[in-house]
Amino acid sequence: NAGVTQTPKFRVLKTGQSMTLLCAQDMNHEYMYWYRQDPGMGLRLIHYSVGEGTTAKGEVPDGYNVSRLKKQNFLLGLESAAPSQTSVYFCASTRGWGDTGELFFGEGSRLTVL
Amino acid sequence: RKEVEQDPGPFNVPEGATVAFNCTYSNSASQSFFWYRQDCRKEPKLLMSVYSSGNEDGRFTAQLNRASQYISLLIRDSKLSDSATYLCVVNRHFGGSQGNLIFGKGTKLSVKP
Repeated sequence: NAGVTQTPKFRVLKTGQSMTLLCAQDMNHEYMYWYRQDPGMGLRLIHYSVGEGTTAKGEVPDGYNVSRLKKQNFLLGLESAAPSQTSVYFCASTRGWGDTGELFFGEGSRLTVL
Repeated sequence: RKEVEQDPGPFNVPEGATVAFNCTYSNSASQSFFWYRQDCRKEPKLLMSVYSSGNEDGRFTAQLNRASQYISLLIRDSKLSDSATYLCVVNRHFGGSQGNLIFGKGTKLSVKP
């Protein structure tokens, strides 16, 4: 059972470079999220999507863009990476909040921007 | 006041001890509450939901106090494998998931032999 898969798991970028993080889920979930986690800051929501073709801003969206062209995939893009974007990025998905409200997370992508 | 606040710890306890964590939330309109567990360098995973009537799952008990706006997690008979960071999570609104989940910064638990 794959669940939520993130690629790549590790990446080192230079300031100004661009990259895309891919999140794929095989649970047919409608809702998908991108979070970043920094020491002492907890998890902060970057962008989210409530269905194919939809995206919305979260708490810290600046410097990131997202796309949800297919229901199972949610892409997070950094157009011009900055050292402040060094972080661990987690993708998550959920069917909805009617039941347990459980978020399923990927294993994380560790990004370092030099 | 921050939306969700937790004591960061660390809580260092011996095996077999009982330990309790509290989490306070600021938005009285919050409806859904959860505890997640995160192991070192791993992703968070749902530990349990917190219901108004409280709920118990084996050695774990979660309680909600709406009047004082806090939730708690009690772990009895601590095991070495309980060592992790426990995240308090609050959903601002009932139903819908339009980005309204707020994560606390977590409380670190270390269970020693």
